[in-house]
Amino acid sequence: GENVEQHPSTLSVQEGDSAVIKCTYSDSASNYFPWYKQELGKRPQLIIDIRSNVGEKKDQRIAVTLNKTAKHFSLHITETQPEDSAVYFCAAILLQYTNAGKSTFGDGTTLTVKP
Amino acid sequence: SQTIHQWPATLVQPVGSPLSLECTVEGTSNPNLYWYRQAAGRGLQLLFYSVGIGQISSEVPQNLSASRPQDRQFILSSKKLLLSDSGFYLCAWRGTGKSSPLHFGNGTRLTVT
Repeated sequence: GENVEQHPSTLSVQEGDSAVIKCTYSDSASNYFPWYKQELGKRPQLIIDIRSNVGEKKDQRIAVTLNKTAKHFSLHITETQPEDSAVYFCAAILLQYTNAGKSTFGDGTTLTVKP
Repeated sequence: SQTIHQWPATLVQPVGSPLSLECTVEGTSNPNLYWYRQAAGRGLQLLFYSVGIGQISSEVPQNLSASRPQDRQFILSSKKLLLSDSGFYLCAWRGTGKSSPLHFGNGTRLTVT
């Protein structure tokens, strides 16, 4: 099955700096890669996603890049703010019309943005 | 719009007691439904998923079970809880098709004492 590794497990940055979180996956057939943000005690919420036919996607201060050949994808947060502090999870999924689309998640990265 | 309801929000149960967590989805039909567990400070572990009424797939052998009695209802159960069952349980749904992200419920924090 799919295996996703996420690095680093913890990341501390100064407010205004950039943060980068990286994930690698094992199944080359995976075609959908979402990122979730989970604040303490709350549910994970989708913040950005990318499909395998796209190399990069941006949404304001957040961007995701995908390298299919190397089987890795990264989350980039620019101009970090204290409210960006949370646990971030990546996932790799094979989405097809005929399957359940089980998500394999990374172990998460705890991001702390210091004011 | 679609919404997902999960209850209860918190639960404290003694070892050996039964468990029933319920999840319902509104605003969509024939969703794929999932139960995840998150241990403290850890990642998300898929427990069960369902692609239709009465269809349950188990990912991890354990003393938990799941049922889907209705299209938009997903139930997680146990006959006898273990201490190791403590954690944050999240129900999630996804629409059918290739472009549907996973949406989580608010979760149930279960403490087995």
